[in-house]
Amino acid sequence: NAGVTQTPKFQVLKTGQSMTLQCAQDMNHNSMYWYRQDPGMGLRLIYYSASEGTTDKGEVPNGYNVSRLNKREFSLRLESAAPSQTSVYFCASSPDSLNQPQHFGDGTRLSIL
Amino acid sequence: RKEVEQDPGPFNVPEGATVAFNCTYSNSASQSFFWYRQDCRKEPKLLMSVYSSGNEDGRFTAQLNRASQYISLLIRDSKLSDSATYLCVVNPFSSASKIIFGSGTRLSIRP
Repeated sequence: NAGVTQTPKFQVLKTGQSMTLQCAQDMNHNSMYWYRQDPGMGLRLIYYSASEGTTDKGEVPNGYNVSRLNKREFSLRLESAAPSQTSVYFCASSPDSLNQPQHFGDGTRLSIL
Repeated sequence: RKEVEQDPGPFNVPEGATVAFNCTYSNSASQSFFWYRQDCRKEPKLLMSVYSSGNEDGRFTAQLNRASQYISLLIRDSKLSDSATYLCVVNPFSSASKIIFGSGTRLSIRP
């Protein structure tokens, strides 16, 4: 019963490096989300995908790109990592994007040096 | 005023006590509301949805007050395992892009 799976769980990058965070869900959900959570702050939406084939910006999209590869997978890419992107990243999914709770993966802890 | 505000706490209460905390929201058009709990360094997990008529799940009761624009969470007979951060979630426009997570209220239950 995997739910939402994120990889990797931990990553350290140097400034300017790129990487892709992977997320997959096995609940047949239509909507998927990427958040970041910084100490003392709430979750902030980076990008979301209401359904397969669509993606939209959230509150803090700058410095990130996403790909909804298929219904199951939604990846987040940092093209040129910056120290300000040090954070915990959570992927989530929901049956659809309207009025339904989200299910979260267990997060990726990313440090940019 | 922040769109969603929570008292950060920490609330430190003895085991067995009743504790309640609120979450205020600024947009009167908000449509759906949830409470999540988040353990230290873990992912948020849905605790309960909040319905207009109020709802109860075991020791947990959630209420919505649209007139005063807040939701509340009441925990009765608190357990050590209830120690966590509780996040309120507000969806103002029934759109994923507008879902707002509160910063959370830390609750610590002492023996």
